[in-house]
Amino acid sequence: EPEVTQTPSHQVTQMGQEVILRCVPISNHLYFYWYRQILGQKVEFLVSFYNNEISEKSEIFDDQFSVERPDGSNFTLKIRSTKLEDSAMYFCASRARANQPQHFGDGTRLSIL
Amino acid sequence: LAKTTQPISMDSYEGQEVNITCSHNNIATNDYITWYQQFPSQGPRFIIQGYKTKVTNEVASLFIPADRKSSTLSLPRVSLSDTAVYYCLVGDSTGTASKLTFGTGTRLQVTL
Repeated sequence: EPEVTQTPSHQVTQMGQEVILRCVPISNHLYFYWYRQILGQKVEFLVSFYNNEISEKSEIFDDQFSVERPDGSNFTLKIRSTKLEDSAMYFCASRARANQPQHFGDGTRLSIL
Repeated sequence: LAKTTQPISMDSYEGQEVNITCSHNNIATNDYITWYQQFPSQGPRFIIQGYKTKVTNEVASLFIPADRKSSTLSLPRVSLSDTAVYYCLVGDSTGTASKLTFGTGTRLQVTL
């Protein structure tokens, strides 16, 4: 069964450093998402991406965040200058088309020191 | 986005059927009902999605009454490995965004 894959599984970074989280969505999916989950809290929406542009973003997704689909297979989330409060699990998701469910990867655990 | 209410936790013995009910009184016409399962340190895993009546797949059934103000996820003969958090989400999945808004979910504990 096709799945969303995310790398790395765990990223440890010094505060203030840039970090790029990578995702390979399911092939032929058209809609892409990033969510995050701080330890012990709810899964929170960050951004949705369709047709090579952001379709919606949350208040969390400020100027420090950016997303890119550099080629036909990868979808990345960049945090320019990480803060301690960025420590969380980051989940990528994709869906094939409207009315289809989103499928999630197993996340990248980001630890900011 | 329709707000959902589901029990915080449930306990079950292995082999029993588990029914988790979710209420969504202000569900909109375009809204679908979707259930996810999440294990610790893993991403939410899609279980089932429906719009009305009954939907069944290889792992669960979803019952939606005619007024669509609630839904029930039914897990037949649960095992220890079904111990997880289960999320009921309601939203319009027809748009280009269609973000998912997660609540705190129902923590299901299955024991022998």
